[in-house]
Amino acid sequence: EPEVTQTPSHQVTQMGQEVILRCVPISNHLYFYWYRQILGQKVEFLVSFYNNEISEKSEIFDDQFSVERPDGSNFTLKIRSTKLEDSAMYFCASSPDGTNTEAFFGQGTRLTVV
Amino acid sequence: AQSVAQPEDQVNVAEGNPLTVKCTYSVSGNPYLFWYVQYPNRGLQFLLKYITGDNLVKGSYGFEAEFNKSQTSFHLKKPSALVSDSALYFCAVRDPIYGQNFVFGPGTRLSVLP
Repeated sequence: EPEVTQTPSHQVTQMGQEVILRCVPISNHLYFYWYRQILGQKVEFLVSFYNNEISEKSEIFDDQFSVERPDGSNFTLKIRSTKLEDSAMYFCASSPDGTNTEAFFGQGTRLTVV
Repeated sequence: AQSVAQPEDQVNVAEGNPLTVKCTYSVSGNPYLFWYVQYPNRGLQFLLKYITGDNLVKGSYGFEAEFNKSQTSFHLKKPSALVSDSALYFCAVRDPIYGQNFVFGPGTRLSVLP
């Protein structure tokens, strides 16, 4: 069964450093998402991506964040200068279309900023 | 703007008893509604969805949910709970007109007691 894969599973970084979280969405999907979850609580939307551009983003997704689909298979989230409050579980998801299909989530990357 | 409420942080139920996890939503137009489950240190797994048609939808692991338009609710149910159903459950909505992203409720922790 196809699945969304995320690497690394756990990333520890120092405050102020740049991190790149990587995701490989399901191959025939067209919409890609990043969500984050702090301490097993609410799942917060960061950004959605379609047709090689951002289609929606939340207030959390400020100038420190960027996304890229560099090679047609990977989908990355970059945080330029990490803050302590960026510590969270980051989930990548993909869906076949932008309407009535469900999203498929990866297992997540736990980011710890120290 | 779309929003999802899950009025109960925690639901406790004895094994073998029926369970209900509540969800209400606010969205313009006809919503697309989803339930996801999250086990510890795992990603979100899709359980079921309502798009259109029959108000009672059936999903994975014996779960079902009932869409009630007048009450703007989409409660998750299972006739007989298992200890293995213990997890965090998220209701989500997708606005078919104004957005492709999924908006999640705050989650309900279900504990099934042996």
